[in-house]
Amino acid sequence: DSGVTQTPKHLITATGQRVTLRCSPRSGDLSVYWYQQSLDQGLQFLIQYYNGEERAKGNILERFSAQQFPDLHSELNLSSLELGDSALYFCASSALAGEVAGELFFGEGSRLTVL
Amino acid sequence: QKEVEQDPGPLSVPEGAIVSLNCTYSNSAFQYFMWYRQYSRKGPELLMYTYSSGNKEDGRFTAQVDKSSKYISLFIRDSQPSDSATYLCAPLSSGAGSYQLTFGKGTKLSVIP
Repeated sequence: DSGVTQTPKHLITATGQRVTLRCSPRSGDLSVYWYQQSLDQGLQFLIQYYNGEERAKGNILERFSAQQFPDLHSELNLSSLELGDSALYFCASSALAGEVAGELFFGEGSRLTVL
Repeated sequence: QKEVEQDPGPLSVPEGAIVSLNCTYSNSAFQYFMWYRQYSRKGPELLMYTYSSGNKEDGRFTAQVDKSSKYISLFIRDSQPSDSATYLCAPLSSGAGSYQLTFGKGTKLSVIP
């Protein structure tokens, strides 16, 4: 158990809809990352937050947004969903200090299916 | 050219075999090189890492980096069925207080008893 909690585990929705994925990082971790994993693209970095502020942005579509709240949990919002958005979405957390640089602790993912 | 290239396999080996998993990368700024392991229906977990060029050994696992050829390898000795998983190489870049991992697509390994 990595200590990172993601909900929901599975989500099925229709094209054009909006969903919210939630992540609770490991206790004490200030940094949250979101990744998208699909068969053809692999694990793609979407966005990183550190202590409530956006720190880095990757290949995140404009239809997607995220935020990190004062209690450090994070939400990833996906809107105007398309079939191609079907994927596993992972949240990861790290302390960014005092631990191995680059050691991210991943949740078990939220599997999104868009029909 | 993608920043990190990794043969997706699948790779199937008999128990006890030596396994070699490889990646190439194009970004010279990478300094740390991580290997993550992902079991089916689970999130990736850090297996081991190396800094700069050279070898690092951890039990049955050896990570190797050759920065001159931008080549990353992970060797597994005496492979076990419990090693069956997808292995992702992930070079690390850093800057402005942020660490960024660039993942390869992963190689799916099956170790047959």
